[in-house]
Amino acid sequence: GAGVSQSPRYKVAKRGQDVALRCDPISGHVSLFWYQQALGQGPEFLTYFQNEAQLDKSGLPSDRFFAERPEGSVSTLKIQRTQQEDSAVYLCASSDRVLRRPDTQYFGPGTRLTVL
Amino acid sequence: ELKVEQNPLFLSMQEGKNYTIYCNYSTTSDRLYWYRQDPGKSLESLFVLLSNGAVKQEGRLMASLDTKARLSTLHITAAVHDLSATYFCAVDMVRGAQKLVFGQGTRLTINP
Repeated sequence: GAGVSQSPRYKVAKRGQDVALRCDPISGHVSLFWYQQALGQGPEFLTYFQNEAQLDKSGLPSDRFFAERPEGSVSTLKIQRTQQEDSAVYLCASSDRVLRRPDTQYFGPGTRLTVL
Repeated sequence: ELKVEQNPLFLSMQEGKNYTIYCNYSTTSDRLYWYRQDPGKSLESLFVLLSNGAVKQEGRLMASLDTKARLSTLHITAAVHDLSATYFCAVDMVRGAQKLVFGQGTRLTINP
């Protein structure tokens, strides 16, 4: 079956531009996660949704970052007024457990954001 | 704050040799994940370790978990070139937000 998909795969933005990154989770997966992966580092948690509810956004680095999942499936991560330090790969993951502690997270291919 | 540390961070080894990657974490957790990442690719799930003493094996890779020592190991047996990748361990928080905290990754290069 189809895995997690993300678009665009690559995005170049000028400093100060707004960007929107899309994630299509595996069909039926209740939980959706966003991570940020800097070059040579492990992914770092940004935010988590269960269905349409954003249950944890403690990892969002600033109020320029905003995520939504209005219908409980597709999610969008928006970054306003991008800065050079926002350059990273943004990974989306989904899992299919409803319980408090979901099972394995399946990752998408990521969106590589470069801010010039 | 939960911290996850891997060592070594870089590992170059010859085909046919055995080696172990270590993953230490700083607070109580009973759920640990190992992922593989190839250059420019996303993360592929390898193992989920759910309890103390858990051991899982897939091919030349074997992972174990000691929750009392807060330590997981990923053992590579008779390495082959195809296993060259970056390996990450990640720990699930016991309480609170549903999120994974990742180690820095171990970049493994296997030479013929």
